[in-house]
Amino acid sequence: DADVTQTPRNRITKTGKRIMLECSQTKGHDRMYWYRQDPGLGLRLIYYSFDVKDINKGEISDGYSVSRQAQAKFSLSLESAIPNQTALYFCATSAGGRAFPDTQYFGPGTRLTVL
Amino acid sequence: EDQVTQSPEALRLQEGESSSLNCSYTVSGLRGLFWYRQDPGKGPEFLFTLYSAGEEKEKERLKATLTKKESFLHITAPKPEDSATYLCAVQVFTSGTYKYIFGTGTRLKVLA
Repeated sequence: DADVTQTPRNRITKTGKRIMLECSQTKGHDRMYWYRQDPGLGLRLIYYSFDVKDINKGEISDGYSVSRQAQAKFSLSLESAIPNQTALYFCATSAGGRAFPDTQYFGPGTRLTVL
Repeated sequence: EDQVTQSPEALRLQEGESSSLNCSYTVSGLRGLFWYRQDPGKGPEFLFTLYSAGEEKEKERLKATLTKKESFLHITAPKPEDSATYLCAVQVFTSGTYKYIFGTGTRLKVLA
């Protein structure tokens, strides 16, 4: 079984709809991250969480919100989807704590299309 | 400004034709450098973590090396199944926290 899972894997939605992307991990890691990937732009950080009570904005957080329901679960919401949020979304985890370097491990991704 | 640059953007090799991918970085407070493989539409798959200049790591046909300014991913006698995008990332300590900076990748195509 995959250590980091994401649901759904594909989603097509319309402008203005609220959607949620979910991430679960069985690696026992404290830190979780949400990234989006666009062609030619590489991976960009949306939000990250170092533990259940510690959530931080990344470089492109506008239009997104997150919830860390448990150590193993981290959800990303688009409150009112717009077409330029069409992208590949990845969840990642890392051990944190005394891990040095702190390697990130990625989920399989969600392909989101906003019409 | 912290920056990671990968070159070339794309590379076509014949099967068995060895080559190297480059990841150069300009950062302060380097805490680690990572290499990932990414297949189209899939999540980055972890390959290597490097930290110290002079460090080398190997896995099958891949070998990663690190200097104070750059890292190389050497591919020896590649096969078509090595075709993928290879991503480089660094972890840095800045403004009181750790962050990761990704390059835009090298798209490798190995022809049979």
